[in-house]
Amino acid sequence: GQNIDQPTEMTATEGAIVQINCTYQTSGFNGLFWYQQHAGEAPTFLSYNVLDGLEEKGRFSSFLSRSKGYSYLLLKELQMKDSASYLCAVREVGDKLIFGTGTRLQVFP
Amino acid sequence: NAGVTQTPKFQVLKTGQSMTLQCAQDMNHEYMSWYRQDPGMGLRLIHYSVGAGITDQGEVPNGYNVSRSTTEDFPLRLLSAAPSQTSVYFCASSYSVASGANVLTFGAGSRLTVL
Repeated sequence: GQNIDQPTEMTATEGAIVQINCTYQTSGFNGLFWYQQHAGEAPTFLSYNVLDGLEEKGRFSSFLSRSKGYSYLLLKELQMKDSASYLCAVREVGDKLIFGTGTRLQVFP
Repeated sequence: NAGVTQTPKFQVLKTGQSMTLQCAQDMNHEYMSWYRQDPGMGLRLIHYSVGAGITDQGEVPNGYNVSRSTTEDFPLRLLSAAPSQTSVYFCASSYSVASGANVLTFGAGSRLTVL
């Protein structure tokens, strides 16, 4: 089976930094993804980690520790448009991509 | 280049009715999948396909059928709709899983209500 845990909600202030954690226990591991989903819209891809370490992409960074079953998404210089849900997903061996329940981030001015 | 196209966008059914949610992609993606999204539950995988003629079950397959007769199309069938199937459905596709990151491209979603 699989279990992917994320906090349900987070709040932060414009210009700040926020870290969204994701822990997972899956029957296999073949990569971890982060997606962003604005209310009423489809998810869009943010980042991908398959090896341990940090991947940086502009204001967004994602970290993975396979031995700990742990990842985080770091958002810097928060903007109002970053208010959205952030979905952690694990690709299991066998190609299935399983999502966590998502973290709803609200950014306040 | 339309990406992933889902139809219909909205549908209301009565319990026991059948219907098909259509999904088509024009990106020559091998991998296609269906998810449902309910409040507090996140995206849950219903069925997926790694290529034409191949389908497999996801986390919540009961009550749904799929087929993959062509690379482009991956319809999702509800044979006898139930109120528990009220949800937003997303179709998503990507290149071959073997190609590495295998980033999913999602359709716009189909909102289904079963009365």
